[in-house]
Amino acid sequence: AQTVTQSQPEMSVQEAETVTLSCTYDTSENNYYLFWYKQPPSRQMILVIRQEAYKQQNATENRFSVNFQKAAKSFSLKISDSQLGDTAMYFCASGGKLIFGQGTELSVKP
Amino acid sequence: EAQVTQNPRYLITVTGKKLTVTCSQNMNHEYMSWYRQDPGLGLRQIYYSMNVEVTDKGDVPEGYKVSRKEKRNFPLILESPSPNQTSLYFCASSPRGRTEAFFGQGTRLTVV
Repeated sequence: AQTVTQSQPEMSVQEAETVTLSCTYDTSENNYYLFWYKQPPSRQMILVIRQEAYKQQNATENRFSVNFQKAAKSFSLKISDSQLGDTAMYFCASGGKLIFGQGTELSVKP
Repeated sequence: EAQVTQNPRYLITVTGKKLTVTCSQNMNHEYMSWYRQDPGLGLRQIYYSMNVEVTDKGDVPEGYKVSRKEKRNFPLILESPSPNQTSLYFCASSPRGRTEAFFGQGTRLTVV
């Protein structure tokens, strides 16, 4: 069965600093995608970044980047130059059936 | 505008009163799914559908039903709601099962 685990229920970071959110997963699929979604207080689910498992290069989207370690089944999200608007719940998800982790609540402090 | 539309956004109901939460997408996506979100548990998949007339159970299907008679619609049915089904529900769709999903706005359901 597919599983996704986020072991950090809450994190905080000072504005302009860098923070890393952890995620591990388990899947029996050979070709799969991994995602990070952001959920601000509005409850909207917003795609932050996507990684295709067959690509070795780590995905980046502006201030967001991932560290994808396929053998270790690890998929962490790094947010650089944190902004107040980054305050949200962040979910890691594994493609296929799209299974989500428990979420990490990130607070960016001024 | 490409979107997934859920209705209603908020619903308070009583135990045992059948209800349906509708979900519709205008992107011609094959794959649709339902999730419930509870604090500390993340989003858990209830049911998913790979295409019209093809549905399957997710991780927490008990107490829920779905149907996929048309490609664009995927309603979630609670035949006899109970208080433990109080939750935030999301519908999602994607072109196929392995790509990113587009989410509806969420439905906050309270069963008293």
